[in-house]
Amino acid sequence: DTGVSQNPRHKITKRGQNVTFRCDPISEHNRLYWYRQTLGQGPEFLTYFQNEAQLEKSRLLSDRFSAERPKGSFSTLEIQRTEQGDSAMYLCASSLGRPGQGDEQFFGPGTRLTVL
Amino acid sequence: KNQVEQSPQSLIILEGKNCTLQCNYTVSPFSNLRWYKQDTGRGPVSLTIMTFSENTKSNGRYTATLDADTKQSSLHITASQLSDSASYICVVSGGNAGNMLTFGGGTRLMVKP
Repeated sequence: DTGVSQNPRHKITKRGQNVTFRCDPISEHNRLYWYRQTLGQGPEFLTYFQNEAQLEKSRLLSDRFSAERPKGSFSTLEIQRTEQGDSAMYLCASSLGRPGQGDEQFFGPGTRLTVL
Repeated sequence: KNQVEQSPQSLIILEGKNCTLQCNYTVSPFSNLRWYKQDTGRGPVSLTIMTFSENTKSNGRYTATLDADTKQSSLHITASQLSDSASYICVVSGGNAGNMLTFGGGTRLMVKP
């Protein structure tokens, strides 16, 4: 399967614990995006990378959230001191990074986080 | 503020029937508009993409329309199947941040036998 992959698919944790998610984009894609989606809502943008550079972060990305893409390939999203409000689906997407209209983002299956 | 509004929020139809989902947006400048299908517990998958100059695009039983003047789009599903049960999300690309996507809240479609 050469699509975007995410691990784990599901994570249950206790409030206050740290969690880390991984995203492996499509291999030739330069851009990588993280989104958060709560039940019944559309995805909300968190942050994106152009290769290893983190170019934009949403106001939703509090100090407890950190994302990295150290070698411009896979990315990790860490949430420290999780809160119940962090419970959501975390989606990763990647794109070629072509300027203009054709830069389609391909989404992974998501990681569903439940904070007890 | 860039926004995408979808209606209805949810819809139940019988298998074999047609339906139309609506999307209104205020994203400016506009780059393109996509409709995504998202099955429960899965990531969204692109169905159609339309640019400013396109007013209709088909993908099998899915037909999307775009009126860039009124900033409205619709997704028409013909002869619905049980597998069409999913959320359909309207996504507009553009705004001052270039390729950033603005997502609608989705329409949750349930097709019943």
